[in-house]
Amino acid sequence: EVQLVESGGGLVQPGRSLTLSCAASGFTFDDYAMHWVRQAPGKGLEWVSGLSWNSGDIGYADSVKGRFTISRDNAKNSLYLQMNSLRAEDTALYYCAKDRGYYLEYYFDYWGQGTLVTVSS
Amino acid sequence: QSALTQPASVSGSPGQSITISCTGTSSDVGGYNYVSWYQQHPGKAPRLMISDVSNRPSGVSNRFSGSKSGNTASLTISGLQAEDEADYYCSSYTSSSPVVFGGGTKLTVL
Repeated sequence: EVQLVESGGGLVQPGRSLTLSCAASGFTFDDYAMHWVRQAPGKGLEWVSGLSWNSGDIGYADSVKGRFTISRDNAKNSLYLQMNSLRAEDTALYYCAKDRGYYLEYYFDYWGQGTLVTVSS
Repeated sequence: QSALTQPASVSGSPGQSITISCTGTSSDVGGYNYVSWYQQHPGKAPRLMISDVSNRPSGVSNRFSGSKSGNTASLTISGLQAEDEADYYCSSYTSSSPVVFGGGTKLTVL
C-alpha cells in the first residue's frame, strides 16, 4: 500500500524558514517523480514544486521560485521542501504527492494527508 | 497563470447524472490531452479520478467519466450516490507554468 506521510509543519513568523519532509513507503520511491501541492484554508489546490526520479528535472511555481527548494533522498525514501522567507500567503496545508512515472508528468496519483504551515507573527 | 474555471457548485439527486465543466484556453485544456480530475472529501486528501482527459485509474468507479471539447473539459458522474458528495478539481498541463488547477466545484447530493 502506497503511503506518504508529511511532517515538519507548524507556526512560523514571516521571513523565517521551515523544512517539510515526506516519508514514502509501499512503492519503489526512486522510480517516480514527486511533488508538493498546497491548499490554503478553504481554498483550492496549488502546485508548488516537483522533481524527477533522479532530481535531474526540477520545477517551481512562480509564487515560490527563489524562496523554496525541493529535494529528495532516494536512499531514505524521503522528499523535502526547504521554505525560506516565508510569507503570510504561504499559509496552507502542504501535500506530498506521487507522480505516475520517472519524469514530471504532473499527475498526482497518490497523496499524503498533508502538514499544516501557518505563517503569522 | 490563472486557474481553470469551474462552477462553484453543482447538485443532483441520487441516481441522476451531473456534469462539471472546466474551462481553460488553447494554452492549457485546449492544447493538450493532459487533463486530470480529483475528488476531495472534507478533511481528506485529494484522490485522482480521471487522467489524460478520460482515463480512469484502477479502482475508480466506471460511473465517473471524462471528456473534452475545445477549451473545455468535463467530468460526468452517472448514477449519483451520496458518497460522491465532495469537492472536485480539474487540472491541466499548461505551456506557461507546468500545471494549473481549477478553482474547485462543490458537488451536493440532494
